Amino acid sequence: GESVGLHLPTLSVQEGDNSIINCAYSNSASDYFIWYKQESGKGPQFIIDIRSNMDKRQGQRVTVLLNKTVKHLSLQIAATQPGDSAVYFCAENNAGNMLTFGGGTRLMVKP
Amino acid sequence: DGGITQSPKYLFRKEGQNVTLSCEQNLNHDAMYWYRQDPGQGLRLIYYSQIVNDFQKGDIAEGYSVSREKKESFPLTVTSAQKNPTAFYLCASSPGAETQYFGPGTRLLVL
Repeated sequence: GESVGLHLPTLSVQEGDNSIINCAYSNSASDYFIWYKQESGKGPQFIIDIRSNMDKRQGQRVTVLLNKTVKHLSLQIAATQPGDSAVYFCAENNAGNMLTFGGGTRLMVKP
Repeated sequence: DGGITQSPKYLFRKEGQNVTLSCEQNLNHDAMYWYRQDPGQGLRLIYYSQIVNDFQKGDIAEGYSVSREKKESFPLTVTSAQKNPTAFYLCASSPGAETQYFGPGTRLLVL
């Protein structure tokens, strides 16, 4: 399939291990954050979101952590599976319905 | 079956030709967006529309045009003025609650 990014930072993990993907956001006024997963040749898929009045939110096998002090967002994936291999983007909202996207991190899961 | 559809999946443009990418949604979302994705870069906003018959330029609108005559449709035309059109084009829609949902994308290639 097509590559969505040839020069992206890459995280390589063993199947079954936990993965942590990090994102630094730019605007201290941002009040809403989203993580997307993008498989090769496909559109981004919503994973999980968090508002700025929270510092942690959990979903199914995923957890998002928000540190507003250092403007840092992380996505934790528990028991990483081969199907988790993709590019992961964070996005921040600071003006109505407009999102600013990070550059993405490629997650590679080794069997 | 609700969602966002984009067509075609692949599109070939000859030099000097205008081409139109289709985006349709049956989610009853008010807002729709067009992004361009290049390898190694994040998503860049081309145009967006918050309501029918209204749209605004994004960060890289030059060489592109849009229309929003119906709520469910937001076609993007890549004009001959766009000198480097080869990219993956993503359409998204939003109910106005900040989260954007993406279509499967159209890959545009120049012959």
